[in-house]
Parts: sequence; structure tokens; C-alpha cells
Amino acid sequence: AQTVTQSQPEMSVQEAETVTLSCTYDTSENNYYLFWYKQPPSRQMILVIRQEAYKQQNATENRFSVNFQKAAKSFSLKISDSQLGDTAMYFCELLSGGGADGLTFGKGTHLIIQP
Amino acid sequence: DAGVIQSPRHEVTEMGQEVTLRCKPISGHNSLFWYRQTMMRGLELLIYFNNNVPIDDSGMPEDRFSAKMPNASFSTLKIQPSEPRDSAVYFCASSLSPDSYYGYTFGSGTRLTVV
Repeated sequence: AQTVTQSQPEMSVQEAETVTLSCTYDTSENNYYLFWYKQPPSRQMILVIRQEAYKQQNATENRFSVNFQKAAKSFSLKISDSQLGDTAMYFCELLSGGGADGLTFGKGTHLIIQP
Repeated sequence: DAGVIQSPRHEVTEMGQEVTLRCKPISGHNSLFWYRQTMMRGLELLIYFNNNVPIDDSGMPEDRFSAKMPNASFSTLKIQPSEPRDSAVYFCASSLSPDSYYGYTFGSGTRLTVV
């Protein structure tokens, strides 16, 4: 069975600071995808960034970037120049294989951006 | 605790048939959420309940979809009639409250294939 671990239940930083959310995973698959989702109070899941395991280059989307370390099975999310609107729950997801067993979420990290 | 339990794990049905997905939340959790995941759209919130009452069903794609929560330990998501574009993985999640950022747990999902 595959696992996803987010070891930081809650984090708090000052506005404009850089923050890194950790995610480690375990899977026996060689081909898989990793996602970071943001969940604001509306509870909708917003896809922040996506990484394909076969790509060595780290994905980047504006202020969001990942540090993907495949050998270490680590997939951390870095938010630069944090903004008040970044306050939300962040979930790490591992997607592999073709069945429901291949979809696994971490428990989430509550990120608070302080003014 | 067995976590959030969803059934069935996999469902294959013919277009036009009725499909019922089931979810048992974690005991003591008062909020229950139904999500749908596809590779194209990622995770989408369909509906959520608080204390068995539907609070927000604005994510339900159309009238073919309906959800019920007759008691605190059981919820269903029904699609009638089903269509091939409904094929996706459907997730149920529960939490202590709608605004709780702790104890937010996803089930393993139901992979629905409509042929």
C-alpha cells in the first residue's frame, strides 16, 4: 500500500515570507504523479501544482514551486512572497496506477499567513 | 479507527444505469464531503453535509446527481442515469466540523467507469 505523509499539521508565517510545506510518500510504482492542492474555506480543492515522476525538473507555477527528490520520495511545496490569501489547508496527493488504490492523500497542513 | 470507508472500490456500469456510491465517515465527525477527481479537472467538491444536513450542493454537476445522509454514519451519492462522462474517482471525506482544519480524512475512493 502506498502512503503520503505531511508531518506539519499547522504552520504560521508572516506575510511576504517564504514557507515550505513537507510531503513524503512511499510507492512501489515507477510512474506516478504528485499534486499539491489548496483548500480555502469554501472547501473546494484547487490544484496548485503537479509533478510527473519521470520529469527531473521541478515544477513551478508563479510563486509556487516544488522540490521533488525522487530517490528520497520527497515532494515539498515552497511558497514565495506569501500572501494573506495563501491561508488555507494544503494537501499532498500521490496518483499512481489505474485504480482507486493508486490515489492517496496526506492529512493536510493548515497554513496561516499572518499580516 | 477504520477511517472513512467507501464502497464499492470499483464500479463498472452501463450508460443509463443507476449508480449508488456509499460512505461511512469516522465516528464523531460531524461533516462529510463528496469529491470527484478526474485527471483533467483534479478534485471537485460536489456537496458537503454538516450534522447530516446538506450545506452546499453547488458543485453537483446536474440533476442526475443526488446525495443523502440519513444518519451520522452513512451517506450515499447517486447518479441516475449514469453517463460515460461521469467516469471518475469519487472520494468521501469527513471532519470534526466544516471549518475544522484537523481530523480531515479522505476515504480510499470509488473508481466509477461508465461504458
